[in-house]
Order: sequence, then structure tokens, then C-alpha cells
Amino acid sequence: QVQLQQSGPGLVKPSQTLSLTCAISGDSVSDNTAAWNWVRQSPSRGLEWLGRTYYRSKWKTDYAASVNSRIIINADASKNQFSLQLNSVTPEDTAVYYCARDPVWAHSALDVWGQGTMVTVSS
Amino acid sequence: QSALIQPASASGSPGQSITISCSGTNSDVGDSNSVSWYQVNPGKAPKLMIFNVINRPSGVSNRFAGSKSGNTASLIISSLQSEDEAEYYCCSFTSRSTLIFGGGTKLTVL
Repeated sequence: QVQLQQSGPGLVKPSQTLSLTCAISGDSVSDNTAAWNWVRQSPSRGLEWLGRTYYRSKWKTDYAASVNSRIIINADASKNQFSLQLNSVTPEDTAVYYCARDPVWAHSALDVWGQGTMVTVSS
Repeated sequence: QSALIQPASASGSPGQSITISCSGTNSDVGDSNSVSWYQVNPGKAPKLMIFNVINRPSGVSNRFAGSKSGNTASLIISSLQSEDEAEYYCCSFTSRSTLIFGGGTKLTVL
């Protein structure tokens, strides 16, 4: 059974960097059988896909245009986890952040989700 | 890229069927069989209900079905039950190798 466990701070100051980690159990971040995504949810914007990382002979990333200039998603195969960094945050980045798996067989559908982390951007 | 377009709300009585639409463009829904649907309940992570337009993951009731015509995908829920009351989001793979969600539809079971 695949499980995703999120960790990271729930409060970030404006202009600083939001950093979250997603630890994977029951699957491998470096197998070429899935992609590893970050999604956020806010009352004003609903669900918003932020980006993903995946290994296909080499590491690749795809990012949403709305955050492309501020986001980095990395994988750490030695720890079997992946992370989100969102730079220069503003109060508009306040949301519940989720990590999620996108297995190859589901063709970009997200079948396993982390528990969610409420992140508030405030001074 | 703007979100896929869904009605903000939908409602139906127990036992009825309802359809939630999801309108996109030739660069996402119209160009992809990778359309999925999620059920979101307050305080819980989204749950995958439909993938690849028409497929149900193991454990999802067969009262949930998906379809697509042109640039519009649909989620059909038959024999509505009170437990179906939730928010529903569609999602599509895009020609830019990204994912895009709809704005969400709040379903009320009367």
C-alpha cells in the first residue's frame, strides 16, 4: 500500500521560501512507473496543480505556468522522498498543499495523496 | 492557462442522476484521453473517482461514470446518495505536459 507523508512548516513569512517534503512508502521515487506531484487547494482558487518530477532515464520536471518562475520540485532517491520549494511567497500562496502520485497506468491521474499541509503566509 | 470550466453548483434528489460538465480546449480536454475526476470532502484529501475519461479505480462505486465529447468531459452520478454530497473537480493533461484542474462543482443532495 502506497502512502505519502508530508512534513514542513505551517507558517511562512511574505517574501520567504515555502518548503515541504513528501516521504514515500510502498513505492520508489526513482522508478520510471510514476510521477510525483504537488497540488494546492484554497477557497478562492480550488485545486491548483503546481508541478511534478519523474525519472525517465534522467530526472524531469513540469511546472504550472502560474508558478514557473518561483518553483523547484526535487527528488531525493536516497531518502525516497520529493520536495517543493516555492520562492517569494505572498499571502495569495496561503493554501492546503498536497503531494500526490501519478502512476503511469493512470495517465496523469493522481491516485494516492498525502495528508495535506495547511500553509499560511503571514508576517 | 485558465482553469477548465465547471458549473459552480449542482443538485439532485436521492435516487436521481446528475451530470457535471467540464469544458476545456483543443489543448487539453479535446487533445487528451487523460481526463480525471476527484471528489473532495471538507478537511480530506481529494479522492480519485475517474481516470482516462471513463475508468473507475478499484473501490469506486459503479454509480460514477465518465464520458467525453470534443472539448467537454462529463461526470455522471446515478442513483444519488447523501454520501455523494461533496465538491467535484475535473482535471486534464495538456499539450504542454502540465495538468489543469476545473474550478470545482459543489454537489448538493437535496
